[in-house]
Amino acid sequence: DIVMTQTPLSLSVTPGQPASISCKSSQSLLHSDGKTYLYWYLQKPGQPPQLLIYEVSNRFSGVPDRFSGSGSGTDFTLKISRVEAEDVGIYYCMQCIQLPPAFGQGTKVEIK
Amino acid sequence: EVQLVESGGGVVRPGGSLRLSCAASGFTFDDYGMNWVRQAPGKGLEWVSGINWNGDSIGYADSVKGRFTISRDNAKNSLYLQMNSLRVEDTALYHCVRSGGYSYGGDGFDYWGQGTLVTVSS
Repeated sequence: DIVMTQTPLSLSVTPGQPASISCKSSQSLLHSDGKTYLYWYLQKPGQPPQLLIYEVSNRFSGVPDRFSGSGSGTDFTLKISRVEAEDVGIYYCMQCIQLPPAFGQGTKVEIK
Repeated sequence: EVQLVESGGGVVRPGGSLRLSCAASGFTFDDYGMNWVRQAPGKGLEWVSGINWNGDSIGYADSVKGRFTISRDNAKNSLYLQMNSLRVEDTALYHCVRSGGYSYGGDGFDYWGQGTLVTVSS
């Protein structure tokens, strides 16, 4: 099974400042179809996870452009250009190139 | 608006059974694969099971294989999870989750329900 490892596991950010989360996979997530199957989710307190980014760098419908994803192969990054209070929660990366789909441990983001 | 509403959770003794249901609305149900993803209290996310659009392709996590059965009824826009031989470690919030395409798992997950809580305790 593919293992997803996120760093850091927690992050305290001043509003308006940038934030960055790393996600590494134990195997390449690049498929022969040319797509890379890496997704990012945010679970706000008391809510189910919501999709932020699909296939490394594509923002899902309604996701603010302060969120961006990058990376390739086994190394990926989620960046928030200017953190806002509503961005608090736990961020998860997920791979779905291979079954079973697997999530990272989660990165808890809080506001200073 | 996509809506996924789970039901059927509760408290059950180890070795017992429960059947979870998910009512889907706001989209063409049989255009999408569906999944169950669980979250133990205070823990991360674990994919449990998935089913493709017409039910002829199904997968399970090793932790539930042989004990859980996923199914769907496209006429009723509903997804199910039959859980047998429940263990204490199955205690979790179970989310109904839509895949991004016809298959399960491989197209990512785009919409999640609020979840239904399953507690396995003696």
